[in-house]
Amino acid sequence: AQSVTQPDIHITVSEGASLELRCNYSYGATPYLFWYVQSPGQGLQLLLKYFSGDTLVQGIKGFEAEFKRSQSSFNLRKPSVHWSDAAEYFCAVGSNRDDKIIFGKGTRLHILP
Amino acid sequence: DVKVTQSSRYLVKRTGEKVFLECVQDMDHENMFWYRQDPGLGLRLIYFSYDVKMKEKGDIPEGYSVSREKKERFSLILESASTNQTSMYLCASSLDSSFSYNSPLHFGNGTRLTVT
Repeated sequence: AQSVTQPDIHITVSEGASLELRCNYSYGATPYLFWYVQSPGQGLQLLLKYFSGDTLVQGIKGFEAEFKRSQSSFNLRKPSVHWSDAAEYFCAVGSNRDDKIIFGKGTRLHILP
Repeated sequence: DVKVTQSSRYLVKRTGEKVFLECVQDMDHENMFWYRQDPGLGLRLIYFSYDVKMKEKGDIPEGYSVSREKKERFSLILESASTNQTSMYLCASSLDSSFSYNSPLHFGNGTRLTVT
């Protein structure tokens, strides 16, 4: 069955430091991959998506993610985080078997001043 | 920009009450979804709909029903609310009518429901 794993429940980084959030998926074919962000008290907002082509995709708010088929990973990165990046981040995979999007359990990002 | 509006940010209901959660989207999207979000469990799909008057069960439909009488509106109904339905409920929509798995979701801000 398709699944998405985000190994880190919480991550804390200092403002200005680089960030990498991990995502691993289990899927039989080329996946459709997404990263969403949820700020406190808000719904989820799409950061970026990967469907095909260049394996490094750029998103909003200065985020990027790299699709690595050999590692079944789609990690989210940002070179320098800002206090406003404190939020919960969800990786998701589109499953054509079930015709739905499956979410990971999320990683909560904390920013130290 | 797509706007998905959930009618209530916070609701407090009593056990056994019938509860309606309303969701409206303004971009003529075909697909609409209801998720519940709980700490440590992420997002779980309750029901979704590809078209007016159509509905499909998600992963956790028990205790819920839905209604889609108009394309822009998707309602979640708790027939008899229970305390284990205390949660954050998120409505979402997406454009593609052929498939939903490759179409990004647009979310509302959520309704935090407390059942006492």
